[in-house]
Amino acid sequence: ETGVTQSPTHLIKTRGQQVTLRCSSQSGHNTVSWYQQALGQGPQFIFQYYREEENGRGNFPPRFSGLQFPNYSSELNVNALELDDSALYLCASSWDRGSYGYTFGSGTRLTVV
Amino acid sequence: AQSVTQLDSHVSVSEGTPVLLRCNYSSSYSPSLFWYVQHPNKGLQLLLKYTSAATLVKGINGFEAEFKKSETSFHLTKPSAHMSDAAEYFCVVGSPGSSNTGKLIFGQGTTLQVKP
Repeated sequence: ETGVTQSPTHLIKTRGQQVTLRCSSQSGHNTVSWYQQALGQGPQFIFQYYREEENGRGNFPPRFSGLQFPNYSSELNVNALELDDSALYLCASSWDRGSYGYTFGSGTRLTVV
Repeated sequence: AQSVTQLDSHVSVSEGTPVLLRCNYSSSYSPSLFWYVQHPNKGLQLLLKYTSAATLVKGINGFEAEFKKSETSFHLTKPSAHMSDAAEYFCVVGSPGSSNTGKLIFGQGTTLQVKP
């Protein structure tokens, strides 16, 4: 059984650019959630996808968007990058919207310069 | 609304001594509560979870937590600290299930230092 895989592990972007982060869910999981973890902080919920539809969203602007594919993998897209977007982005997968807990990936470290 | 407060930002113990990481929560209904651990440059690993079954929850690596509704607390303990326990610990409240919108609420984290 594979875990949650995120790519890339590290990324450096320039302010104003766009970025796409990817996440492969754990086998058998149909739910994916994304979190932003700023340095020294706890993770903050961005949104969740269940069976390819967004079913929950945190307090993030619309330039944060996502997709979930039929194989339940997922993408997080961020447009018009700002310096404050620099953070560790974590993906978590689960079965049935977290009924049995979430499995987290190791994250993508995004640096905006 | 739900929230969680970790009462200590930093805890330092000697190897072989007990560990206590404190967490208080706020929830308008019966919550699901979790403890996660994050080692440097790693993702989050689930230590244990409470979902309204037994109030004393046993987790991995010798950790356990007790749900106390009257005190709205969910403190994490371990009888004897090991050097490998040094990490960041997060107390988390959520509402999984059919009504779940996916929002896990994390505390600010407690850094556990283990001295030899």
